[in-house]
Amino acid sequence: ETGVTQTPRHLVMGMTNKKSLKCEQHLGHNAMYWYKQSAKKPLELMFVYSLEERVENNSVPSRFSPECPNSSHLFLHLHTLQPEDSALYLCASSQGSLAKNIQYFGAGTRLSVL
Amino acid sequence: GDSVTQMEGPVTLSEEAFLTINCTYTATGYPSLFWYVQYPGEGLQLLLKATKADDKGSNKGFEATYRKETTSFHLEKGSVQVSDSAVYFCALTPYGNNRLAFGKGNQVVVIP
Repeated sequence: ETGVTQTPRHLVMGMTNKKSLKCEQHLGHNAMYWYKQSAKKPLELMFVYSLEERVENNSVPSRFSPECPNSSHLFLHLHTLQPEDSALYLCASSQGSLAKNIQYFGAGTRLSVL
Repeated sequence: GDSVTQMEGPVTLSEEAFLTINCTYTATGYPSLFWYVQYPGEGLQLLLKATKADDKGSNKGFEATYRKETTSFHLEKGSVQVSDSAVYFCALTPYGNNRLAFGKGNQVVVIP
């Protein structure tokens, strides 16, 4: 148990559906992250929130929409996804934005887009 | 940009064998280096880290030394167990921020 909880653990959706991924951290951290983990590719950083403000968006398509309502919760809203968006989506949190501050990861949501 | 390269392909070895996973990096300045491990069905966990040249990170019998002259951070364990079966990721953060850049990961399978 890392203190970062992601729900659901598995999600299957059609290309016209709208769904949301949820991440909650119980560590008192002030920075949260979304990563995409695809087979045979390095983890890709998607979004970074620091103190509830989005500070980084790495050219992610607009069909992915993050939301950070408070420092403990992070959402990823999904709509009109493509099959190539099927992947493991990982949430992480850290205290601060310095290299010495370790990121703690959740177990991920396995997303399949049909 | 800053990046990490891990050796290709899964690693399969017998219990009590010696494990080495190669990692080399490209970075400007002085990055911090990490090894993360992902056990089946779980998220990534920090295994060890090193923040400056010649530092040795160690945890759970694993070790890695920050070699600036060869830009490497190879992971080693002297005697693996079945419970070490997992995916291992090398990563770095550039000096001054913690935007992790990951390698592709190596699947390690330890057979009894």
